[in-house]
Amino acid sequence: GAGVSQSPRYKVAKRGQDVALRCDPISGHVSLFWYQQALGQGPEFLTYFQNEAQLDKSGLPSDRFFAERPEGSVSTLKIQRTQQEDSAVYLCASSLVGGMGINEQFFGPGTRLTVL
Amino acid sequence: KNQVEQSPQSLIILEGKNCTLQCNYTVSPFSNLRWYKQDTGRGPVSLTIMTFSENTKSNGRYTATLDADTKQSSLHITASQLSDSASYICVVMTTDSWGKLQFGAGTQVVVTP
Repeated sequence: GAGVSQSPRYKVAKRGQDVALRCDPISGHVSLFWYQQALGQGPEFLTYFQNEAQLDKSGLPSDRFFAERPEGSVSTLKIQRTQQEDSAVYLCASSLVGGMGINEQFFGPGTRLTVL
Repeated sequence: KNQVEQSPQSLIILEGKNCTLQCNYTVSPFSNLRWYKQDTGRGPVSLTIMTFSENTKSNGRYTATLDADTKQSSLHITASQLSDSASYICVVMTTDSWGKLQFGAGTQVVVTP
């Protein structure tokens, strides 16, 4: 595709429900990142993949958050037993090569999650 | 505590006027500094990326400066247009680990006719 796509764009969940957010990175991009953006704040790092390997998951706020990228392309961020504090925009970004240096990260439009 | 601080938090400017946004950071070891523009409901889009040795970089009407000694950066918008209304986010990358990005909270810019 022409850019990073994410689905769904909007998700409303009842507290306690599980949700799955999908990210389709730019074709051929090695690195994939997930960020959480609260209203009026900058994005906060959640996790980083290089191909199918999850190299850093230090930003995941709890063990209810799980991310995977089994074939090194599409990634899914899963949140179990959602809580109201999980309400945020979840951004996905990809870059052509590894994360270091001046490699550009291209962002998707995000998924806005609202937990009632 | 956020290691990338931006000011002002928000500003309103008249179309055609200039403005300057500020960014102070304490993140280290420093690799590069980026400015992103984020329109409402969209993902951030990169405007500039500067490494330690670069003092200034332009992208059209956007000019970013970097003083790595004082750990300060600015983004200057010249002859603002209505389409410049957005959040502008300062981001710093470190050289350790794999290059994690540290984001500021952003400056919300509103350009009025």
